[in-house]
Amino acid sequence: DTEVTQTPKHLVMGMTNKKSLKCEQHMGHRAMYWYKQKAKKPPELMFVYSYEKLSINESVPSRFSPECPNSSLLNLHLHALQPEDSALYLCASSPQQGGGRDTQYFGPGTRLTVL
Amino acid sequence: TQLLEQSPQFLSIQEGENLTVYCNSSSVFSSLQWYRQEPGEGPVLLVTVVTGGEVKKLKRLTFQFGDARKDSSLHITAAQPGDTGLYLCAGTPLGGAQKLVFGQGTRLTINP
Repeated sequence: DTEVTQTPKHLVMGMTNKKSLKCEQHMGHRAMYWYKQKAKKPPELMFVYSYEKLSINESVPSRFSPECPNSSLLNLHLHALQPEDSALYLCASSPQQGGGRDTQYFGPGTRLTVL
Repeated sequence: TQLLEQSPQFLSIQEGENLTVYCNSSSVFSSLQWYRQEPGEGPVLLVTVVTGGEVKKLKRLTFQFGDARKDSSLHITAAQPGDTGLYLCAGTPLGGAQKLVFGQGTRLTINP
């Protein structure tokens, strides 16, 4: 099973709303990632969790708040977003094999629209 | 900044033709992945290459990692309309920990 699941698939929210994106994997992977992808661009890394600890934050605004409750789950809490935050949000996971030979597996994404 | 230059950015060919997509860098990569992405969906892994000179085949798709691990190619034989999509190369630079560097993507259209 090489599946990463994400919910919801689509989300529309106002700028004053609070919402959360969820990601789950059952491959025993120990690294999980959040990416943001705008139309016609490659994914941009936002956060990396390694062994349930935040290891990389790519200077993401504080209106995005990640959380890793356990090794299988990853959340992204959203608050006071701006219309320019509308994008496809992708979750990924990898085994964390070390030596730079990790392969990341992506979920189907959440299409977020901020009104 | 470690860049992956992917070419061509757009390619439209007829069914049955062959094509090659290139991914080049001046940096050495520990590994390199190729993904295919449909609109509104997440990238789906096609292959990972880790050894310089490595060649992997997936049905009509052939992937090659350069000897110096600075470049890679994807060759499709007898392209079919089902091959239409966005192809992304992505690599982990040597010493780059968990950060994937992405190419800009190749948008491939196969016309029946």
